[in-house]
Amino acid sequence: NAGVMQNPRHLVRRRGQEARLRCSPMKGHSHVYWYRQLPEEGLKFMVYLQKENIIDESGMPKERFSAEFPKEGPSILRIQQVVRGDSAAYFCASSPSIAGETQYFGPGTRLLVL
Amino acid sequence: QKEVEQNSGPLSVPEGAIASLNCTYSDRVSQSFFWYRQYSGKSPELIMSIYSNGDKEDGRFTAQLNKASQYVSLLIRDSQPSDSATYLCASLSGSGNTGKLIFGQGTTLQVKP
Repeated sequence: NAGVMQNPRHLVRRRGQEARLRCSPMKGHSHVYWYRQLPEEGLKFMVYLQKENIIDESGMPKERFSAEFPKEGPSILRIQQVVRGDSAAYFCASSPSIAGETQYFGPGTRLLVL
Repeated sequence: QKEVEQNSGPLSVPEGAIASLNCTYSDRVSQSFFWYRQYSGKSPELIMSIYSNGDKEDGRFTAQLNKASQYVSLLIRDSQPSDSATYLCASLSGSGNTGKLIFGQGTTLQVKP
């Protein structure tokens, strides 16, 4: 039973480029969450999605960041026109069928903006 | 007051001792709590969840929840050097049905051989 999968594991971008981070939830899980961990800081919630719906995006920066979880395929976190401050570890988590259930984390994508 | 607070440590204990990790929370989080372990450069790994007052044991780990005092703790018995990691306390925001986990800053545990 594969866990949460994320790719790429490491991503290097230059300032102004776009970053696309992918997340495939655990089999049978329909809830996906994205978190960001800045260097030397704690994990911060970004967005919560179900298939084709954004449920809570209260942690998403107002500009340049977007997320989707299409009917088919992985969830995508997209960062446009990246800046150095976007350098962080981005973790995806998933849970089965109820939002309050335990969330299981993927290995993360480490984004470095040069 | 932050929603979930932890002492960042480091907490240093000798091998074989009991490590006690503490977390306090505000009224802005739900009554569902989770302890995650995170090794340096790795992702958070779930250790335990606790929802009711009292103790919950799983192997060498015991989670304790005291709703009246608004704290939750994690005890690690017979600590091993491999337990050295950052331990994250988390709770669901608000009523708990939002799916939004609020994390503390994490406590770094060092177990010395």
